[in-house]
Amino acid sequence: TQLLEQSPQFLSIQEGENLTVYCNSSSVFSSLQWYRQEPGEGPVLLVTVVTGGEVKKLKRLTFQFGDARKDSSLHITAAQPGDTGLYLCAGVSQETSGSRLTFGEGTQLTVNP
Amino acid sequence: NAGVTQTPKFQVLKTGQSMTLQCAQDMNHNSMYWYRQDPGMGLRLIYYSASEGTTDKGEVPNGYNVSRLNKREFSLRLESAAPSQTSVYFCATRVGLSYNSPLHFGNGTRLTVT
Repeated sequence: TQLLEQSPQFLSIQEGENLTVYCNSSSVFSSLQWYRQEPGEGPVLLVTVVTGGEVKKLKRLTFQFGDARKDSSLHITAAQPGDTGLYLCAGVSQETSGSRLTFGEGTQLTVNP
Repeated sequence: NAGVTQTPKFQVLKTGQSMTLQCAQDMNHNSMYWYRQDPGMGLRLIYYSASEGTTDKGEVPNGYNVSRLNKREFSLRLESAAPSQTSVYFCATRVGLSYNSPLHFGNGTRLTVT
């Protein structure tokens, strides 16, 4: 069982549409990070959220950390083909030993022109 | 500025063969990590090194060994490869141990064990 569950696993949309992907857990997280990974490359950090209820914006991307620090969402407005990639959430759970970073399984986003 | 460099990019092994995956960074980061990425399972930590001279097990260390050769280099060794070790392996670095700071990843080594 994944500590961090991401949904949906796959998402294929048309350019210009809006979308939201989710990262959920039953555990409380000290912080959550979102990464984007393109084919043949390693993940690249988009944002870190630390405070419950925090909202961060990165151009057309809006990230929210749940009030209880158990979940997070990524909303993309007017998606573009350049947004295509694997979106990964990762966090430090208060339950895992050694402050280990746990990754979700990812959401594969395809934006069609 | 190359960042994190992994070699080789691709490798095919037969069951029982051994190999070493190399990772070098020019970011002057203290912490280095080895992850494996498998479909539907996200990234799982194999081993990490908080600083030169120290290494620790991660979530899935069985079948692997590591060496932190110096501050720049962190290698991952498979002594006797198994098909279950078919995966994409990523090396990552971080400036310290704080999980609020970003991981910087290499571009991965794609390993197939037949």
